[in-house]
Amino acid sequence: EVQLLESGGGLVQPGGSLTLSCAASGFTFSNFAMNWVRQAPERGLEWVSTISYNSDNTPYAESVKGRFTISRDNSKNTLYLQMNSLRAEDTAVYYCTKGDRGISPRVFDCWGQGTLVTVSS
Amino acid sequence: EIVLTQSPGTLSLSPGEGATLSCRASQSVSSSYLAWYQQKPGQAPRLLISGTSNRATGIPDRFSGSGSGTDFTLTISRLEPEDFAVYYCQRYGSSLWTFGQGTKVEIK
Repeated sequence: EVQLLESGGGLVQPGGSLTLSCAASGFTFSNFAMNWVRQAPERGLEWVSTISYNSDNTPYAESVKGRFTISRDNSKNTLYLQMNSLRAEDTAVYYCTKGDRGISPRVFDCWGQGTLVTVSS
Repeated sequence: EIVLTQSPGTLSLSPGEGATLSCRASQSVSSSYLAWYQQKPGQAPRLLISGTSNRATGIPDRFSGSGSGTDFTLTISRLEPEDFAVYYCQRYGSSLWTFGQGTKVEIK
């Protein structure tokens, strides 16, 4: 069974930094692209970033480009999201998701339960 | 950037009724790259349909998807109590992944 377990969320002040982690199990992590998708309170879903199976491709949404960095450690089956210069509008539940293929996934076929990031003073 | 617009915003129906949800794209979308997700309150979304009409593993056959070009539809043939949720369409293209704003299917 595929499992994705996010951690690292919490309360951070505007301008601060936070790193999210996602521990994956139940599939061959190194074969699949991984992604972060977020959902602001009472809002819809927003794609944040994707990383290919070998880390060579890392597209970002315009709203986070230059502030967020996605990475992965295939030896640890773990996905990361380094978030810098955080803003109030980054407040959201952040979901770790598995792509359906190694590069440029068509869909997000498995989702973690999410971790809440709150940016507030 | 292609925008996905879902309608209606809210659908009020009774169990046993059928539901038709629309997802309209601002430009033509490859049918291979159009998907639907279901999100229940307090839960993460889950994949329902990929490639416009292919049900994900474990999804009951009362869920079906159709469409092409700019107009796509998710149909739920007979609503079960567990189907009342928010549904999102999603599109992939040119290293961008876009979601519609969602349609809430609520109990009438």
